[in-house]
Amino acid sequence: NAGVTQTPKFRILKIGQSMTLQCTQDMNHNYMYWYRQDPGMGLKLIYYSVGAGITDKGEVPNGYNVSRSTTEDFPLRLELAAPSQTSVYFCASSSPWGGKYEQYFGPGTRLTVT
Amino acid sequence: AQSVTQLGSHVSVSEGALVLLRCNYSSSVPPYLFWYVQYPNQGLQLLLKYTTGATLVKGINGFEAEFKKSETSFHLTKPSAHMSDAAEYFCAVSDRISGNQFYFGTGTSLTVIP
Repeated sequence: NAGVTQTPKFRILKIGQSMTLQCTQDMNHNYMYWYRQDPGMGLKLIYYSVGAGITDKGEVPNGYNVSRSTTEDFPLRLELAAPSQTSVYFCASSSPWGGKYEQYFGPGTRLTVT
Repeated sequence: AQSVTQLGSHVSVSEGALVLLRCNYSSSVPPYLFWYVQYPNQGLQLLLKYTTGATLVKGINGFEAEFKKSETSFHLTKPSAHMSDAAEYFCAVSDRISGNQFYFGTGTSLTVIP
């Protein structure tokens, strides 16, 4: 199992550009999540999904969009990038069945907006 | 919403000394409880979890944590620190009913002094 994979690892964007951060998991998890991590601030939930076709906002959704057309993929779209979106982005997945409960994280995407 | 408090954003210990990282949660119903570790430029890795049963749980790398309902705490300990333990540690909770949202603390950076 590859687990949770994210691409790209690094990206530099100019203000106003857009991009999609890719996230794929091969564990057949229903739940998937996008977080951003800023220094000293822990992780903040951007969006999450409890299954294909179902998404919901987290704590900091403004400036982002998501879709979930398959169980495996959960891309995060940034429209009109702003310097405030400079951060490290983590995708995670989980399945509440089978006694696991924990989230599995990808390696992250480091995004800089200048 | 639940909240998680990690006391001490930075903790320094000498190699071989006891490691104690504190975590308190706010919830009337005991949640699922997790500790994650993050090494530089990596994603989060599960150290240990408490879901049910024995309140003292053991994890990887010699870490353990004890769930204390009366104190709403889930402190992480390790009897003897090793240089390789230097990392960021996050406490997280998940609601038992929905199980689909995690709440993370702001993290504790552990430094191990040789």
